[in-house]
Amino acid sequence: GENVEQHPSTLSVQEGDSAVIKCTYSDSASNYFPWYKQELGKRPQLIIDIRSNVGEKKDQRIAVTLNKTAKHFSLHITETQPEDSAVYFCAASGGYQKVTFGIGTKLQVIP
Amino acid sequence: ETGVTQTPRHLVMGMTNKKSLKCEQHLGHNAMYWYKQSAKKPLELMFVYNFKEQTENNSVPSRFSPECPNSSHLFLHLHTLQPEDSALYLCASSQGQADQPQHFGDGTRLSIL
Repeated sequence: GENVEQHPSTLSVQEGDSAVIKCTYSDSASNYFPWYKQELGKRPQLIIDIRSNVGEKKDQRIAVTLNKTAKHFSLHITETQPEDSAVYFCAASGGYQKVTFGIGTKLQVIP
Repeated sequence: ETGVTQTPRHLVMGMTNKKSLKCEQHLGHNAMYWYKQSAKKPLELMFVYNFKEQTENNSVPSRFSPECPNSSHLFLHLHTLQPEDSALYLCASSQGQADQPQHFGDGTRLSIL
């Protein structure tokens, strides 16, 4: 089955700096890669996703890149703000109705 | 967003009790999921239902019993649970295949005494 590794597990950045979270996956058939943000005590929410026919996608301060050959994808957050503090999960999906999540990255933005 | 509603939000039960978790989605989705979220572990997929039919049982112990009477409602029946089952149980829904975004509920925080 699919295996998704995510790092770092924790990340602290100064407000205004950039943050990068990286994930690797094992199943070359995976074709959908969402990122979820989970604030403390709240539900995970989709913040951005990318499909295998695209190499990069951007939405304001958030961008995701995908390297299918190397089987890795990354989340980039620029100009970080305190409200970006949360746990971020990457995921990969290739099979029918099955999504595999990474372990999560706890991001702390220091004002 | 109130698209996916879970009840109760918190549940404390003894190992011999029987209880049920409920999930309801108002998004018109056809797929519903149960996940277990424990500290320092990835989200663990437990069950998947598509158009009321179970399509995935991820080696979950039989003390967890899912029920999906229709595409909008999903239950997780609990009996004879163990302390290690204490976790946040999240319900999610999506439209169609796994290559669609999932919408999560707020979860039920379950504590087993």
